[in-house]
Amino acid sequence: DIQLTQSPSFLSASVRDRVTITCRASQGINTYLAWYQQKPGKAPNLLIYGASTLQSGVPSRFSGSGSGTEFTLTISSLQPEDFATYYCQQLNYYPLTFGGGTKVEIK
Amino acid sequence: QLQLQESGPGLVKPSETLSLTCTVSGGSISSSSYHWGWMRQPPGKGLEWIGTMSYSGNTFYNSSLQSRVTISLDTSKNQFSLKLSSVTAADTAVYYCARRINTAGGWFDPWGQGTLVTVSS
Repeated sequence: DIQLTQSPSFLSASVRDRVTITCRASQGINTYLAWYQQKPGKAPNLLIYGASTLQSGVPSRFSGSGSGTEFTLTISSLQPEDFATYYCQQLNYYPLTFGGGTKVEIK
Repeated sequence: QLQLQESGPGLVKPSETLSLTCTVSGGSISSSSYHWGWMRQPPGKGLEWIGTMSYSGNTFYNSSLQSRVTISLDTSKNQFSLKLSSVTAADTAVYYCARRINTAGGWFDPWGQGTLVTVSS
């Protein structure tokens, strides 16, 4: 199985901070990676697919990059509504797997 | 706008079969452009992919659950279902259904709101 390691697992940041979350795959997955945002009690919401394509309706402060084994999600200027948990998911190999999540909290 | 809604018992006894249905509205599940899948999330923990089914009937299951899982489509009702047999407390989780885009590296969007299933006697 492909292991996805997200770092950090917890992040404390302030509004308007630039935030970067990393997702490392145990083997190459091309660009077949998605990022999701999850708020408490809610379903995950797609932010990025294909490693770098912004889902329609998602603010442009979110961006994704990477290929192969290393990927990043960047929030250019953190907003109050961005405090949530973020998950990466690889979609190249079965079983499809998720990273362990990164919780972004208010400093 | 496509919407998905999970339904089913919120409480299942150990060793019994968990059965959930996902009702799709605003679009048809009878499309070769999409697959239909299930994920779950134990309380306070991360996400786990359970399995996915295509309109043509191809199924893909997580190997960790494969012996216990069945996903099926009911095109007449525009629904798809999950059955998980011989459940234990470890199967307690919020279960989500979602649409997967049928392309290389296809992603899941949208998701249902999720339904909590507790396994307890």
